[in-house]
Amino acid sequence: RKEVEQDPGPFNVPEGATVAFNCTYSNSASQSFFWYRQDCRKEPKLLMSVYSSGNEDGRFTAQLNRASQYISLLIRDSKLSDSATYLCVVNRGSGNTGKLIFGQGTTLQVKP
Amino acid sequence: EAGVTQFPSHSVIEKGQTVTLRCDPISGHDNLYWYRRVMGKEIKFLLHFVKESKQDESGMPNNRFLAERTGGTYSTLKVQPAELEDSGVYFCASSQASGRGPYEQYFGPGTRLTVT
Repeated sequence: RKEVEQDPGPFNVPEGATVAFNCTYSNSASQSFFWYRQDCRKEPKLLMSVYSSGNEDGRFTAQLNRASQYISLLIRDSKLSDSATYLCVVNRGSGNTGKLIFGQGTTLQVKP
Repeated sequence: EAGVTQFPSHSVIEKGQTVTLRCDPISGHDNLYWYRRVMGKEIKFLLHFVKESKQDESGMPNNRFLAERTGGTYSTLKVQPAELEDSGVYFCASSQASGRGPYEQYFGPGTRLTVT
């Protein structure tokens, strides 16, 4: 079983739609949580960190449920430019090792 | 400010040959990481340097892989001899000095390695 599991999709949605991605992680010792965005043949880029209280950045909302070991990302009012692969990422390890564990990614295609 | 740079962007080599990948982190970043994505799989951690010291090399697949970071600046990852299963995209990332982290990791554009 993968340590971070995501539905690979693809999710095909029209512009303006709301779409939600889910992710589960298996290691309860995971300390930090992130969503990264990766465009085709590009490097991953941090989209947002995920906090237990939930956090919002414009059209993006992230939620964390430590008890269920579940992370979500909600995108409202989808834009064509949101088309990308969204990577669920957790940090595991002691102190500040910063070792990131990636999910396989969920592909989003926003269509006109 | 320049981002993380990697060289080469692409490399095609034959099985049994040697390849050396280079990563230049963001200036002042003490933490340097190597990751790899093989086709159809998730990105996987290889190792982590803090300055010139290997902090964690638990992800290195085998002893054909050798990473160095002399002087705590740029890093190299050498694969010798390369095997077919080493094909993939090798990403380097860097982050600020340790403290109450983890700090954001900034990724380079990757080196696409193809072993034929």
